[in-house]
Amino acid sequence: AQKVTQAQTEISVVEKEDVTLDCVYETRDTTYYLFWYKQPPSGELVFLIRRNSFDEQNEISGRYSWNFQKSTSSFNFTITASQVVDSAVYFCALSEATPGTYKYIFGTGTRLKVLA
Amino acid sequence: GAGVSQSPRYKVAKRGQDVALRCDPISGHVSLFWYQQALGQGPEFLTYFQNEAQLDKSGLPSDRFFAERPEGSVSTLKIQRTQQEDSAVYLCASTRGVAGVVSYEQYFGPGTRLTVT
Repeated sequence: AQKVTQAQTEISVVEKEDVTLDCVYETRDTTYYLFWYKQPPSGELVFLIRRNSFDEQNEISGRYSWNFQKSTSSFNFTITASQVVDSAVYFCALSEATPGTYKYIFGTGTRLKVLA
Repeated sequence: GAGVSQSPRYKVAKRGQDVALRCDPISGHVSLFWYQQALGQGPEFLTYFQNEAQLDKSGLPSDRFFAERPEGSVSTLKIQRTQQEDSAVYLCASTRGVAGVVSYEQYFGPGTRLTVT
């Protein structure tokens, strides 16, 4: 069965601190995709990154970086030098690339508060 | 339009009323998804359309929920005889490709917040 766990319900940091949001997933498929989305107070989910199961290279995009480790079934997200605008709820999601499977499974989210 | 739009943004319904929620996906996007997001939770899958075909409705919580996408673009989620437990934000998302073999990034609308009193 597919499952995504985001154990951190809420994290508070002071501006300019680094913060890592954890995501652990479960799947029986060998081919799958992982995603991170940001949901700011306005409510609209914003796509951040997509990664397939065959690409374990870490990725950096500006202040954002992602660490994908299949050995621990984790896909963690780090924000470097956090800013107040980073305050939002962040969701990790999993989708199995299996014919006939269309679901995307989301975690329960981590609320990040960045204090000035 | 440039993004996914949903209407209405807010809907208050009395218990027992029927409601219809509209989603206008990004032009040309083949796939359309509906999700239900309860307060403090992640989005929960409801149903998936590939063009006008509803290929997965396994997430619809009861037969009071019905979705359609008759011309492969705009979609409507209908809830009959609303109950208090239906109160949630209903999100629509679209992707450029066909789901099931490759999973594409989803583009979400702002959601419709449904409150059943």
